[in-house]
Amino acid sequence: KAGVTQTPRYLIKTRGQQVTLSCSPISGHRSVSWYQQTPGQGLQFLFEYFSETQRNKGNFPGRFSGRQFSNSRSEMNVSTLELGDSALYLCASGRTSGNTIYFGEGSWLTVV
Amino acid sequence: ELKVEQNPLFLSMQEGKNYTIYCNYSTTSDRLYWYRQDPGKSLESLFVLLSNGAVKQEGRLMASLDTKARLSTLHITAAVHDLSATYFCAVDLISSGSARQLTFGSGTQLTVLP
Repeated sequence: KAGVTQTPRYLIKTRGQQVTLSCSPISGHRSVSWYQQTPGQGLQFLFEYFSETQRNKGNFPGRFSGRQFSNSRSEMNVSTLELGDSALYLCASGRTSGNTIYFGEGSWLTVV
Repeated sequence: ELKVEQNPLFLSMQEGKNYTIYCNYSTTSDRLYWYRQDPGKSLESLFVLLSNGAVKQEGRLMASLDTKARLSTLHITAAVHDLSATYFCAVDLISSGSARQLTFGSGTQLTVLP
């Protein structure tokens, strides 16, 4: 059974650019959530999607956005990148009635 | 605002010894997760604790939950080097239905010394 798949795994962007990260959840999982991990702030919740609807959003500026498609795949976008956006971005998926939340390998973003 | 505090943040222990990591949280929740993270890697699910008094064990790790005290513990028995990693607890801030929003502790960086 395939796990949560994130692409790209590593990327380098320049300040001011935008980036799109992709996440394919485990088959059958309709809830997809995104987290940012940095050494200074730790793991922080970005947003959660279910059936193409954003159900929850963390305390991040509007530059961070996301969406979910009908096949449950999700993308997150960060516009006008800042140096502080350099982080590991983790996608997680779970079943509607399930308890375990599974994380992907993450996308390492470096902003220079 | 939900706060999740782990301690200790750093833990060096000798192989064969026992130790406990503590996770305190500030508001009512019915789901608590423990994850392991190796350097440069993602989060590996260890345990999901769903009710007061829940206890789960896997190998040398045992997790428990006391919802009244808002406390979870991760106990390590007879540590081995392979357990060296960072361990996170996370509390699920259920806002509606089956929504998920995890709030993580700062993590405990465990180093098991020979």
